Amino acid sequence: QSVLTQPPSVSAAPGQKVTISCSGSSSNIGNNYVSWYQQLPGKAPKLLIYDDNNRPSGIPDRFSGSKSGTSATLGITGLQTGDEADYYCGTWDSGLSDVVFGGGTKLTVL
Amino acid sequence: QVQLQESGPGLVKPSETLSLICTVSGYSITNGHFWGWIRQPPGKGLECIGTVYHSGNTHYSPSLKSRLTISVDTSKNQFSLKLRSVTAADTALYYCARFEGYSSSWNGDGYFDSWGQGSLVTVSS
Repeated sequence: QSVLTQPPSVSAAPGQKVTISCSGSSSNIGNNYVSWYQQLPGKAPKLLIYDDNNRPSGIPDRFSGSKSGTSATLGITGLQTGDEADYYCGTWDSGLSDVVFGGGTKLTVL
Repeated sequence: QVQLQESGPGLVKPSETLSLICTVSGYSITNGHFWGWIRQPPGKGLECIGTVYHSGNTHYSPSLKSRLTISVDTSKNQFSLKLRSVTAADTALYYCARFEGYSSSWNGDGYFDSWGQGSLVTVSS
């Protein structure tokens, strides 16, 4: 059971928009920055979003992050088949004294 | 551009020690980041194992702390992982990664911005 809760799967059609939620508590998301990672099939995770809503260089602006209270959200617009991947949220949990990740969300682009 | 590469045995016997090395290229390990290990059991999610700073300061996951040693060799631009008394539950893809934090003192706030390709370690007799 992950400390951060993500939906196991989401799906949408090419060109559409999808959001992936990440729910936590005041000991993690509520008081620490959230990052998001994309893991393409058979590949290592790749940083998509850091500090809640910042994109590293090279990440297209189709990807966005937001946070409200103890929940964070990853948004992807203009979906492409190449976006099919597992997506993970991560943050620091002050109570556990540990870096924690969500259980991951599998995105299917229909 | 920083690159990370894991190396080590792909098969470890139960009760023995899992040892992995991460070689960093294109970036000096002493440039002020933490360096970490993350693992992913087959078909499952990510778990942070621990991190090390170039000074040798470490942070270990509380769930693994009693079996874990992470160290750094600045002369080789490498850092390493040793996990003792392994069981089948330690079978996983092990990734090394650079952690971008906001202080030279560990407070956990930050993110993993560069990852190695991963090394599969199977625990089996």
